[in-house]
Amino acid sequence: EIVLTQSPGTLSLSPGERATLFCRASQSVRSTYLAWYQQKPGQAPRLLIYGTSIRATGIPDRFSGSGSGTDFTLTISRLEPEDCAVYYCQQYGRSPPMYTFGQGTNLEIK
Amino acid sequence: QVQLQESGPGLVKPSGTLSLTCAISGDNIIGESWWSWARQSAGKGLEWIGEIHHTGNPNYNPSLKSRVSISVDKSKNQFSLTLTSLTAADTALYYCVRDRSGGFLRWDVWGHGTTVTVSS
Repeated sequence: EIVLTQSPGTLSLSPGERATLFCRASQSVRSTYLAWYQQKPGQAPRLLIYGTSIRATGIPDRFSGSGSGTDFTLTISRLEPEDCAVYYCQQYGRSPPMYTFGQGTNLEIK
Repeated sequence: QVQLQESGPGLVKPSGTLSLTCAISGDNIIGESWWSWARQSAGKGLEWIGEIHHTGNPNYNPSLKSRVSISVDKSKNQFSLTLTSLTAADTALYYCVRDRSGGFLRWDVWGHGTTVTVSS
């Protein structure tokens, strides 16, 4: 089973700043099988990025993803108050079929 | 607009069986998408339970495989989860999810979630 480790655990930034969130996998992950989600309190997770760098429908271009192999990054430029949420990375492995999530990064907006 | 709605009992007894259903609106279960169940708890975070395609070949999380069954009801456009031998560790918020797939990992539609508590 591939383990995803996210860092930092908590990130506290001001509006207008840039946030960089990291996701490290215990084994190489195929780029098409790496996604990022945003979860606000009381809500289900929302798909932000899939295929490592493709924004989901309706996601503003302030959100971008990058990476390959075992190291992946979610960047949020020009933070807005509504970006306050927990962010999760997720991967899929084929043999056997298995999906795993990171433990999340809590993004606080000052 | 595609929507998923979970339904089922909120309270189940230890050693009992949990049955949840996910009703799909705005999409047809007979398509390219895979349909998953996931859960979220304070102790384990987000955890995948299993998935199914309308062709009927489910995949399960190895850690739950001996207790899980997922099935499709094409006539009702819904899919269901059965989880047996429940313990307090199964207490969680349960989500049904659409994986749009298309060669990517893309869980693009989530239900609101249903809280399940295992307690006597």
